Amino acid sequence: EPEVTQTPSHQVTQMGQEVILRCVPISNHLYFYWYRQILGQKVEFLVSFYNNEISEKSEIFDDQFSVERPDGSNFTLKIRSTKLEDSAMYFCASSELGGAGPQHFGDGTRLSIL
Amino acid sequence: SQQGEEDPQALSIQEGENATMNCSYKTSINNLQWYRQNSGRGLVHLILIRSNEREKHSGRLRVTLDTSKKSSSLLITASRAADTASYFCATANTGGFKTIFGAGTRLFVKA
Repeated sequence: EPEVTQTPSHQVTQMGQEVILRCVPISNHLYFYWYRQILGQKVEFLVSFYNNEISEKSEIFDDQFSVERPDGSNFTLKIRSTKLEDSAMYFCASSELGGAGPQHFGDGTRLSIL
Repeated sequence: SQQGEEDPQALSIQEGENATMNCSYKTSINNLQWYRQNSGRGLVHLILIRSNEREKHSGRLRVTLDTSKKSSSLLITASRAADTASYFCATANTGGFKTIFGAGTRLFVKA
């Protein structure tokens, strides 16, 4: 069964550094998402992406964040200048039908900011 | 804001018992979805119920939706130790591009 893959599984970065989290969505999916989950807390929506542009973003997704689909397979989340509070699990998801259907999640990247 | 909130926050039962989790939300929805998350893993989609449906079954899962009360329930029958996980409900906004997850119910099934 096709799946969403995320790399790296764990990223440790110094505060203030840039970090890029990578995702390979399921190949025929058109809708892409990033979420974050601080340890023990709920899954928080960051951004959705469709037709090569951001469809919607949350208050968390400020100017420090950006997303890109640089080629036909990858979907990346960049955090420009990381803060301690950016430490969390970051999940990528993709969907064939957008909000009308299920989302398929990767296993996440654990981001630790020192 | 549109938000799914589950209760209870945590549930501990014996293998073979049924587990019921509830979810409430605040705004109109097109559908409501339930997901499962094993520790340290991504979310796995379990079931989707549309706003014009009242009940849906999938294997040992039964989901109900009451749009007048803005609530849903997930019932897992004949639970197994392998059902131990966190369960989240999720709702999408009108355009479908923003999905909000509830805080989740942590289910522990004792063998």
